[in-house]
Amino acid sequence: SQQGEEDPQALSIQEGENATMNCSYKTSINNLQWYRQNSGRGLVHLILIRSNEREKHSGRLRVTLDTSKKSSSLLITASRAADTASYFCATVSGAGSYQLTFGKGTKLSVIP
Amino acid sequence: DAGITQSPRHKVTETGTPVTLRCHQTENHRYMYWYRQDPGHGLRLIHYSYGVKDTDKGEVSDGYSVSRSKTEDFLLTLESATSSQTSVYFCAISESVTRQAFFGQGTRLTVV
Repeated sequence: SQQGEEDPQALSIQEGENATMNCSYKTSINNLQWYRQNSGRGLVHLILIRSNEREKHSGRLRVTLDTSKKSSSLLITASRAADTASYFCATVSGAGSYQLTFGKGTKLSVIP
Repeated sequence: DAGITQSPRHKVTETGTPVTLRCHQTENHRYMYWYRQDPGHGLRLIHYSYGVKDTDKGEVSDGYSVSRSKTEDFLLTLESATSSQTSVYFCAISESVTRQAFFGQGTRLTVV
């Protein structure tokens, strides 16, 4: 079964608002990554957080990781219409694993 | 953009025929992955490779085989295509399991 599960499945907000997406996973991880997919395109990497990190920032993105709860959140601040896309979390499991597994994604719609 | 190319980009094939999808990279990355993307399922890992001739199964490997005879090419073969294999297939590459993955543009396969 898939390692990560995003929540909510779909999110609709007004431009300028913040968007928060959550990801839960099942097993211990080496790192957790977030990706964006625009309609009809391949995935693009946004940010990576390692298992020993709790928070990471990149521009308008803020990612948190709580390994005790096996969960992560992605916050997009001051959203723009161009942020409309699907967002996926992906995990690399613990030692000895080469698998990069994805969740089902959150579809974000930012209304101008 | 990372040098990763999938071919073909679109294919329609008949049930029961073999189909081979190609992923070609120019980055000399060690890890290569094949995923399928279906509505409601997100991305599911089919097979992956951690080196030349080193491959392993992912979550949904039944009906698929792979080969990697050189670093730059990772081939996915549907041995006898079925309608359930109609999907969008993505290839991804990664230098290391601790780093980000880069995705191809996808191959839309329709089995009729």
